[in-house]
Amino acid sequence: GQNIDQPTEMTATEGAIVQINCTYQTSGFNGLFWYQQHAGEAPTFLSYNVLDGLEEKGRFSSFLSRSKGYSYLLLKELQMKDSASYLCAVRDRGGNKLTFGTGTQLKVEL
Amino acid sequence: DTEVTQTPKHLVMGMTNKKSLKCEQHMGHRAMYWYKQKAKKPPELMFVYSYEKLSINESVPSRFSPECPNSSLLNLHLHALQPEDSALYLCASSQGTGLLLTPNTGELFFGEGSRLTVL
Repeated sequence: GQNIDQPTEMTATEGAIVQINCTYQTSGFNGLFWYQQHAGEAPTFLSYNVLDGLEEKGRFSSFLSRSKGYSYLLLKELQMKDSASYLCAVRDRGGNKLTFGTGTQLKVEL
Repeated sequence: DTEVTQTPKHLVMGMTNKKSLKCEQHMGHRAMYWYKQKAKKPPELMFVYSYEKLSINESVPSRFSPECPNSSLLNLHLHALQPEDSALYLCASSQGTGLLLTPNTGELFFGEGSRLTVL
């Protein structure tokens, strides 16, 4: 089985940097994904890590440590439109199954 | 075309009704998924189809019946649902399943969902 945990809520200021953590315990691992979901909309893909280290993509970066079962999503230069739910998801070794974490609701304030 | 299209966007049904949710993608993806999402909760996997064959059923009650008529289409047939089945039903597709090497991350592309209300 898989157990994936994230903080429930976070608040940050426009223009600042925020780090959203994700810890996981899985019986098999074949990659970790971060998705963004605005209220009432579909999740959209942000980033993917399968090897340890940092992946950078514009204002978003994601880090993975497989030995620690730990990932984070770093959002820089926060904008109001970044207010959304951020979902960490782990793919199983067979590659068939993507399981989502509890999700972090981020609120960006002026 | 990088879209996953779901119909209907909204559906209200009684507990004795039979209805279907439909999903379509034209990205040549060979894996398709149904997820259920309740308010303020993450999506929960229901079914996975790989190469038009059901590969995962997450112990979903039989009142939900998936169907994959071809590689572009995925249906979810609904019958005798309960009010607690009211949720957003998300369809997704990906390039495939199994081990994938970068740059093919195999990320899921989601449709906008069908919001189901069971009275």
